[in-house]
Amino acid sequence: GAVVSQHPSRVICKSGTSVKIECRSLDFQATTMFWYRQFPKKSLMLMATSNEGSKATYEQGVEKDKFLINHASLTLSTLTVTSAHPEDSSFYICSAVSGGAPNEQFFGPGTRLTVL
Amino acid sequence: GIQVEQSPPDLILQEGANSTLRCNFSDSVNNLQWFHQNPWGQLINLFYIPSGTKQNGRLSATTVATERYSLLYISSSQTTDSGVYFCAVDPNFGNEKLTFGTGTRLTIIP
Repeated sequence: GAVVSQHPSRVICKSGTSVKIECRSLDFQATTMFWYRQFPKKSLMLMATSNEGSKATYEQGVEKDKFLINHASLTLSTLTVTSAHPEDSSFYICSAVSGGAPNEQFFGPGTRLTVL
Repeated sequence: GIQVEQSPPDLILQEGANSTLRCNFSDSVNNLQWFHQNPWGQLINLFYIPSGTKQNGRLSATTVATERYSLLYISSSQTTDSGVYFCAVDPNFGNEKLTFGTGTRLTIIP
């Protein structure tokens, strides 16, 4: 299957700082990537759709100024959590749609963010 | 939006047992995937199955799109099967967004 990586896997930061998370498709090109958030013992919630070469589209209730998304190339999308606060602590997961089976998504290993 | 419910929410089984996990969805779908989330959080693709039946080793899945449900079968469970199983669907909107189900937490006891 297609491989998606995320970096870093874990980050701890102070309140008020910004954190950047990278999502890469390693063996395929992805015009579309997705960012999800998962709280402990809960399901995944879609935050936004990252489109290569254009602005991201955000789900209802997700602050676009808080969660900046840049899809700079066909293999890289970044999520920046700006001015992080403790309530932003969560598990962030990205996914990408492979060019194989239509619509099949493959997921990165996730990034655990802790804001102190 | 589309609702995706999974049952049971929790399942504890002895090693070697078989299990059936269910995913019900409230509207027609273009795509349905099953995932296993391991204890480290990694989502592992199990099946891409918008309709029909597929098998992969001890796992198999069936989706009856007209009746809006999918089943995941795990036979001869092993402790490594423990984790959370999610189904996720893409409604027929063509934008490839997945809506995740509520999940089934499976615990296999040695």
